[in-house]
Amino acid sequence: DVKVTQSSRYLVKRTGEKVFLECVQDMDHENMFWYRQDPGLGLRLIYFSYDVKMKEKGDIPEGYSVSREKKERFSLILESASTNQTSMYLCASSSTVRGGPGELFFGEGSRLTVL
Amino acid sequence: AQSVSQHNHHVILSEAASLELGCNYSYGGTVNLFWYVQYPGQHLQLLLKYFSGDPLVKGIKGFEAEFIKSKFSFNLRKPSVQWSDTAEYFCAVGSYNQGGKLIFGQGTELSVKP
Repeated sequence: DVKVTQSSRYLVKRTGEKVFLECVQDMDHENMFWYRQDPGLGLRLIYFSYDVKMKEKGDIPEGYSVSREKKERFSLILESASTNQTSMYLCASSSTVRGGPGELFFGEGSRLTVL
Repeated sequence: AQSVSQHNHHVILSEAASLELGCNYSYGGTVNLFWYVQYPGQHLQLLLKYFSGDPLVKGIKGFEAEFIKSKFSFNLRKPSVQWSDTAEYFCAVGSYNQGGKLIFGQGTELSVKP
């Protein structure tokens, strides 16, 4: 089975702190994604990566950065956390299927609270 | 901008009722389509997907969806829901020129009364 593992299930941080969320997948997928999930807004894409050291902005990249130094690992960084970044963060990975977008496999999620 | 729209935010049904959840998208061109489910306290998992071929696709747990290209729709159906279907359902669309990313709808919360 595909496994996507997120490093922390629950985090509580203070405004202005730097936050690292890490994600590891074990299926050699080339694509990895960070979404945030908020009630009534569904899942919104923050950043994605289609290869090592490559990254693309999603729909809501402001206030976030990412790092992909190894194929299996994709990190989300909040340089200076703010209260409006309180959310559930979901990591996912996928392979391209016949040149098109494949199924996403999701981690358990990291619930971040910024006080 | 490309978008995915789910018509219902919250649906309440009694057990054995039929279910249809609407999903429309605004992409032109070739797309792959997905429905995901999130049971309370669990992570998102795939219900079904459409890549090509028969526009009526069957998924897990008795769910099916129909792709109607002319209407840009991918509605989810189940003939008879169970209490265990209580969950949030997300439609997602990926375009062939978007590098593998999926755009998700806002989600529909389904509550099934026993």
